[in-house]
Amino acid sequence: DTGVSQNPRHKITKRGQNVTFRCDPISEHNRLYWYRQTLGQGPEFLTYFQNEAQLEKSRLLSDRFSAERPKGSFSTLEIQRTEQGDSAMYLCASSSRTGQQNEKLFFGSGTQLSVL
Amino acid sequence: RKEVEQDPGPFNVPEGATVAFNCTYSNSASQSFFWYRQDCRKEPKLLMSVYSSGNEDGRFTAQLNRASQYISLLIRDSKLSDSATYLCVVSGGGYQKVTFGIGTKLQVIP
Repeated sequence: DTGVSQNPRHKITKRGQNVTFRCDPISEHNRLYWYRQTLGQGPEFLTYFQNEAQLEKSRLLSDRFSAERPKGSFSTLEIQRTEQGDSAMYLCASSSRTGQQNEKLFFGSGTQLSVL
Repeated sequence: RKEVEQDPGPFNVPEGATVAFNCTYSNSASQSFFWYRQDCRKEPKLLMSVYSSGNEDGRFTAQLNRASQYISLLIRDSKLSDSATYLCVVSGGGYQKVTFGIGTKLQVIP
């Protein structure tokens, strides 16, 4: 499968614990996005990378959230000291963008986080 | 004002009907526009890009109005399988991120 891969698919954790999610983008894609989605809402932008550089981070994101993309390949999203409000689907998407061409995102299946 | 606004619906339409969704965006510098489809508990999938001249893909027609900053999606001859949430997506130029609307839920009824 050469699509976007996310692990784990589901994560249940207790409040206060740290969690880390992984995303493996489509191999030739230079951009990688993280979104969060709750029921009845559209995907909410969290952060994105172009190669290994983190270009933007949502102002809504607290300091408990951090993302990395070492070597411009896979990415990890870590949430420290989880809270019940962090429960959501965390979606990763990748794209290949050069110049002014349209940027089409391809999504992974997401990681469903439940904080108890 | 939200960057991308959509009517969340739901739109309940009978099979065979024509239904249209609109979406407005706030950033006049936005350059790329898309409609994505999302089924319940699944990831969003690209339905179609939206071009300035308007474009059609089978029963689906997308249009862009830059002056009024809105895009639309028209679905003709609705099928039961069209039931899903349709997400309006806008991308700015340069290093700007891709932003999603809240999505419009469509339910096609037999």
